Amino acid sequence: QSVLTQPPSVSAAPGQKVTISCSGSDSNIEGNYVSWYQQLPGRAPKLLIHNTNKRPSGIPDRFSGSKSGTSATLTITGLQTGDEADYYCGTWDNGLTAGVFGGGTKVTVL
Amino acid sequence: EVQLVESGGGLVRPGGSLRVSCAASGFTFDNAWLTWVRQAPGKGLEWVGRIKSNPDGGTTHYAAPVKDRFTISRDDSKNTLHLVMTRLKTEDTAVYYCAFTSGVATFDHWGRGTLVTVSS
Repeated sequence: QSVLTQPPSVSAAPGQKVTISCSGSDSNIEGNYVSWYQQLPGRAPKLLIHNTNKRPSGIPDRFSGSKSGTSATLTITGLQTGDEADYYCGTWDNGLTAGVFGGGTKVTVL
Repeated sequence: EVQLVESGGGLVRPGGSLRVSCAASGFTFDNAWLTWVRQAPGKGLEWVGRIKSNPDGGTTHYAAPVKDRFTISRDDSKNTLHLVMTRLKTEDTAVYYCAFTSGVATFDHWGRGTLVTVSS
């Protein structure tokens, strides 16, 4: 059971938009930055969003992050077949004094 | 270019010990915070523990399932991070990744991982 809750899967057609939610609590998401990671099949995770809504160099602006209270959201617009992957949210938990991840969301492009 | 290369994984019996390492290059290792993250086969990511830089105190934090069994250390003279795992359990079977850490818990760069299998 992960500390952060994500939907197991989302899907959409190419060119459409998907949103992935990440639900936490006041001890993690509400008081800390949230990061998002993309893990392609058989590959190591890759940083997609940091500081809740910042993109590292090289990440297209089709990917965006936001937060409200104890929940965060990753939005992917203009969905492409290459976006099929598992996506994880992560942050720090002040109560656990530990990093925490969501259980991951599999994105399928129909 | 940041590079992180894990090594030392393998098969170990339950109750045994193992050390995995992470060789780093492409950044100032001495000032870096570093984290171990693991992923059991077919499962999600699990934060294992983190070590701050020595200038920041060299403090370590561990996840509850590994606390008192795992120890993270660093050798700044060799740009290498270590994870010593003792009293291993079958549920510790996973790919272990090291990650360059910015902020409190942002993992900017990851290695390819090393597989640890705990089985009799």
